[in-house]
Amino acid sequence: AQKVTQAQTEISVVEKEDVTLDCVYETRDTTYYLFWYKQPPSGELVFLIRRNSFDEQNEISGRYSWNFQKSTSSFNFTITASQVVDSAVYFCARPLRSRGSTLGRLYFGRGTQLTVWP
Amino acid sequence: NAGVTQTPKFRVLKTGQSMTLLCAQDMNHEYMYWYRQDPGMGLRLIHYSVGEGTTAKGEVPDGYNVSRLKKQNFLLGLESAAPSQTSVYFCASSYAGGDNEKLFFGSGTQLSVL
Repeated sequence: AQKVTQAQTEISVVEKEDVTLDCVYETRDTTYYLFWYKQPPSGELVFLIRRNSFDEQNEISGRYSWNFQKSTSSFNFTITASQVVDSAVYFCARPLRSRGSTLGRLYFGRGTQLTVWP
Repeated sequence: NAGVTQTPKFRVLKTGQSMTLLCAQDMNHEYMYWYRQDPGMGLRLIHYSVGEGTTAKGEVPDGYNVSRLKKQNFLLGLESAAPSQTSVYFCASSYAGGDNEKLFFGSGTQLSVL
């Protein structure tokens, strides 16, 4: 599988700080998708975003933003003004195959444990 | 709004025992998946199904079998459990294709094999 690397195993910040979670991916494809999922302490993973390789514009959703850069094969995730409720494990992922297959067949990075202290 | 429901939530097995994990979804999703999560690892795909009566192997299928007799259910079986199968198992489902193809996950099953 073409890998997804999340080099940061754990990050701790104090509430209201900004924090960026890194994701570096490998690909031999010209067209591909990337995902971020959140796993809160309850355990159930929640979809955050899907990005395709055609669109390099940054995405913003409230306090969350994503920076997609093909030149560095990175798809980083920033939380602005972090809150305690943001504490979770965050996974970056990509499909096991880019063509002719369901996008639910994902290769996940190892995840980054984010802890936000009050 | 049940979503994706997994049973049981916890289970302890002895080596060599068998068991079945049940996943049920009420969103009329075509696709269903079984993942396992081990400490310090991302999730890894075991098996998946793109429709009733169809199943396919994922990244780590050895030691597991699956069945999808009904669209809403996806069963994961361990015929002869091994300690290496100690893990948290997640079921997920999704619509088929397009912008809706994001995964909805269950809350997981913690399985320990002694």
